Amino acid sequence: GAVVSQHPSWVICKSGTSVKIECRSLDFQATTMFWYRQFPKQSLMLMATSNEGSKATYEQGVEKDKFLINHASLTLSTLTVTSAHPEDSSFYICSASLTGPYEQYFGPGTRLTVT
Amino acid sequence: GIQVEQSPPDLILQEGANSTLRCNFSDSVNNLQWFHQNPWGQLINLFYIPSGTKQNGRLSATTVATERYSLLYISSSQTTDSGVYFCAVDAGGTSYGKLTFGQGTILTVHP
Repeated sequence: GAVVSQHPSWVICKSGTSVKIECRSLDFQATTMFWYRQFPKQSLMLMATSNEGSKATYEQGVEKDKFLINHASLTLSTLTVTSAHPEDSSFYICSASLTGPYEQYFGPGTRLTVT
Repeated sequence: GIQVEQSPPDLILQEGANSTLRCNFSDSVNNLQWFHQNPWGQLINLFYIPSGTKQNGRLSATTVATERYSLLYISSSQTTDSGVYFCAVDAGGTSYGKLTFGQGTILTVHP
């Protein structure tokens, strides 16, 4: 199967600072990447969909000015959590696929703790 | 939006036992995937199965799209099978390409 990496795997930051998370598809060109959020003992919730070279589309209730997404190439998407607060602490997971109802491949996740 | 329900929510087995996990969905789907989330949080792709039956070693899956359910079978379970199993579907339409996840089944396999 395809390999997706994320960096960093975990990060601790202070309230009010910004954090950038990278998602890379290592062995295929992902026309679409997705960002999910998972709280402890809960399921994954889709935050946004990003297509290479175009603006991300955000799910209802997700603040686009707080969670900035950039999909600069077919192998890289970034999620920046701006002015982070403790309630943003969560497990963030990206996935990558070809555009359409194709199999999605997931990164290992990034655990964010905001103090 | 589409609803995805998984059952049972929790399952405890002795090593060597067989099990069946179920995923019901409320509308037609373009895509259905089964995942295993390991203790470190990594989602491992088990099956991409919008319809039909597939097998991979001790695991197999069947999706009956017309009846809106999918089943994941685990045979001769091992302790390493422990973790959370998720079913996720792409309902198409305005959600084309996006996955909606069920709440998961937490599987614990005791030695």
